[in-house]
Amino acid sequence: NAGVMQNPRHLVRRRGQEARLRCSPMKGHSHVYWYRQLPEEGLKFMVYLQKENIIDESGMPKERFSAEFPKEGPSILRIQQVVRGDSAAYFCASSLTQRANTGELFFGEGSRLTVL
Amino acid sequence: ILNVEQSPQSLHVQEGDSTNFTCSFPSSNFYALHWYRWETAKSPEALFVMTLNGDEKKKGRISATLNTKEGYSYLYIKGSQPEDSATYLCAFVTGANNLFFGTGTRLTVIP
Repeated sequence: NAGVMQNPRHLVRRRGQEARLRCSPMKGHSHVYWYRQLPEEGLKFMVYLQKENIIDESGMPKERFSAEFPKEGPSILRIQQVVRGDSAAYFCASSLTQRANTGELFFGEGSRLTVL
Repeated sequence: ILNVEQSPQSLHVQEGDSTNFTCSFPSSNFYALHWYRWETAKSPEALFVMTLNGDEKKKGRISATLNTKEGYSYLYIKGSQPEDSATYLCAFVTGANNLFFGTGTRLTVIP
């Protein structure tokens, strides 16, 4: 059973370009979380999705950032018109259960975005 | 934004020493607390999911306790080994099924 797969692992973009980060959850998992880790900081919550629904996007910047988790295919975190401050590691996690008080998260290895 | 604090920020111990660190979280609207272990260049891995006040969980030499009334959890490592070197994260679970992480305690075990 493959773990949470994120790609690309490393992405370099110039200011103003778009970045797309993909996350395939573990098989059978329908809950996906995206976290951002800025240098020297912890994991900051961005968005929580279930299949075809955004449940909580309170941690996501209002502009330029969007996320989706379609019925088929991976979850995608999209950053439009990237700026240098978007440089960070973006981690995806998935869970099997609907209740996080019973099920742990399984993390991917992260996608490291560098904006030149 | 929920405030989840971990202390100390970093810790160096000698091989064989026992150690512990703290996670503080809001004592109201508690649903669960998670502990994760994060080795450098890898992804975080779950250690414990704790839900009940007074809970005590153990996995090998690592154990954790939970006090939901006062809003803290302790993680203990008995007889630290170099392979225990990692960052230990706690995460507070909200009623909206969301997890907010502390900044972690970075443990280095010196052989």
